[in-house]
Amino acid sequence: QVQLVQSGAEVKKPGASVKVSCKASGYIFSNYYMHWVRQAPGQGLEWMGIINLSGDATINTQKFQGRLTVTRDTSTSTLYMELSSLKFDDTAVYYCARAGPGVAVASTDYWGQGTLITVSA
Amino acid sequence: DIQMTQSPSSLSASIGDRVTITCRASQNINNYLNWYQQRPGKAPTLLIYTASSLHSGVPSRFSGSGSGTDFTLTIRNVQPEDFGTYFCHQGYQTPVTFGQGTMLEIK
Repeated sequence: QVQLVQSGAEVKKPGASVKVSCKASGYIFSNYYMHWVRQAPGQGLEWMGIINLSGDATINTQKFQGRLTVTRDTSTSTLYMELSSLKFDDTAVYYCARAGPGVAVASTDYWGQGTLITVSA
Repeated sequence: DIQMTQSPSSLSASIGDRVTITCRASQNINNYLNWYQQRPGKAPTLLIYTASSLHSGVPSRFSGSGSGTDFTLTIRNVQPEDFGTYFCHQGYQTPVTFGQGTMLEIK
């Protein structure tokens, strides 16, 4: 079955960077675009960005321009999200999600369990 | 960006009730509308995609309808495990956007 397993929670100081991983299994990783979505405490879902099949093209929401780097490693079926210059309001649960069902790109079907990133002085 | 507006923001239902949640897009998104359930502390799970298609493994008491800008999620015969927050999501174009959520409480 499709599984997306993310790395564990982290606490970071303002201005630092964080890198979250998302390991895929149960399907052919290189056949699907991948998304990152975050959710601040008690808030709704906020889309961050998407990466294409080969990993050579990403689209990030303008809010994260210059701070967000999404990459993927097909050899290990792992997706990465690095967010730099962290601010207090970057505190959130970060989710990876597979694009789908089927060939849908901007839609998502399966999600990782989430990674809590806390930005604290 | 396409704005997604859900209503109501919360509701309470008894076991066996029928519940309806609506989602309106700020522009035509054809049928590129998904519905998710999120239980507290858990990741969202896909219920309905392309407005009315039931995702694999989702009980048939869930159904979706609509196209263009107006969409509806219906839960027939509400069960205890249906508690949580429901989100709509437009997959028509990036940036992907979500509704603000509808919290369902089971009485």
